[in-house]
Amino acid sequence: GNSVTQMEGPVTLSEEAFLTINCTYTATGYPSLFWYVQYPGEGLQLLLKATKADDKGSNKGFEATYRKETTSFHLEKGSVQVSDSAVYFCALKGIQGAQKLVFGQGTRLTINP
Amino acid sequence: NAGVTQTPKFQVLKTGQSMTLQCAQDMNHEYMSWYRQDPGMGLRLIHYSVGAGITDQGEVPNGYNVSRSTTEDFPLRLLSAAPSQTSVYFCASSSGQGGTYNEQFFGPGTRLTVL
Repeated sequence: GNSVTQMEGPVTLSEEAFLTINCTYTATGYPSLFWYVQYPGEGLQLLLKATKADDKGSNKGFEATYRKETTSFHLEKGSVQVSDSAVYFCALKGIQGAQKLVFGQGTRLTINP
Repeated sequence: NAGVTQTPKFQVLKTGQSMTLQCAQDMNHEYMSWYRQDPGMGLRLIHYSVGAGITDQGEVPNGYNVSRSTTEDFPLRLLSAAPSQTSVYFCASSSGQGGTYNEQFFGPGTRLTVL
């Protein structure tokens, strides 16, 4: 079945540091890939998405590129801010199955000033 | 537009008690779903619905029931709570279904503790 694996957290960085959170997936065909963010005490929000190979999703300075050859969708940001502190989830939607999402385990990110 | 609302925010139950977690959306979305979030395991799909009167099981449906009598509401019922159901529960909704993905909107969650 479909699955998503994220790098283990927690991750702690200083403000303005470069961020990478690794995400790899297992799926048949060409799934759609997503990054969701969960701020403290809130539900999940869609951060960015990519629906086909080599697509780059971007939002709020974050980027992720759909790499079919390495089955990866790593999240990057060039200069993080304290306000980026949150839990980040990588997820996929398979080619079948309505709107069902399969999530990775989540990576908690803390940015120190 | 309230989006997706969930009640209650927090709940403590004793083993064997029953309760219903409420979820409502005001965006006329056809698709609604329930997830549970456990440490180190991400979110796992419990049940979902593609429209009023239609429900189906997700990855971890045991111990939970759902119904969808209206487009707006999608309650999750725990018939006999167990400590293994201690978790944070999220409801989500989106328009459409099938091959085209439409953004899922999540509620703020219900934190449930079963003693």
